[in-house]
Amino acid sequence: DSGVTQTPKHLITATGQRVTLRCSPRSGDLSVYWYQQSLDQGLQFLIQYYNGEERAKGNILERFSAQQFPDLHSELNLSSLELGDSALYFCASSAIWGITEAFFGQGTRLTVV
Amino acid sequence: DQQVKQNSPSLSVQEGRISILNCDYTNSMFDYFLWYKKYPAEGPTFLISISSIKDKNEDGRFTVFLNKSAKHLSLHIVPSQPGDSAVYFCAAASGGGADGLTFGKGTHLIIQP
Repeated sequence: DSGVTQTPKHLITATGQRVTLRCSPRSGDLSVYWYQQSLDQGLQFLIQYYNGEERAKGNILERFSAQQFPDLHSELNLSSLELGDSALYFCASSAIWGITEAFFGQGTRLTVV
Repeated sequence: DQQVKQNSPSLSVQEGRISILNCDYTNSMFDYFLWYKKYPAEGPTFLISISSIKDKNEDGRFTVFLNKSAKHLSLHIVPSQPGDSAVYFCAAASGGGADGLTFGKGTHLIIQP
């Protein structure tokens, strides 16, 4: 158990819909990262938050957004969903900004039908 | 453009023998490299890392070697055990990892009894 909790574990939704994925980091960790793993792809970095502030952006679509709340949990919002958005979405956390040995949650498997 | 490449999608090794997983990178700005291990239905788990100022890092049965001139790193597992069967991801970072990690697509290691 990494200490990072992601909910829900599975999500099935229709094209055009909007979903929210939730992540609770390890106790004491201030940084949260979101990654997407599509079929046959490695993990793609989406976005990072540190103590409530956005710190880095990767290959995140404009239809996607994220935020980190004062209690440090984070949410990834995916809107106008397309079939190609079907993927595993992982959240990871680390103690401070820039520490790379991040701890990953179990992921949320999103299926868009 | 894939900046981190794991050219072997799968590798089969006999129990007790050495497993060698390879990774190549193209971005010369990468200065920190990590290996993650992933079991089905779980998030990636950090295994071992190496800074670009070193050429070797050892942790128990796991050793990572870095050849900067060849932009190549490898993970050695000796001796290989059945529990090592998993997908191994190579990842790289620059600037302390503040912009997230760049992952390869992974190598599925199968340890044969």
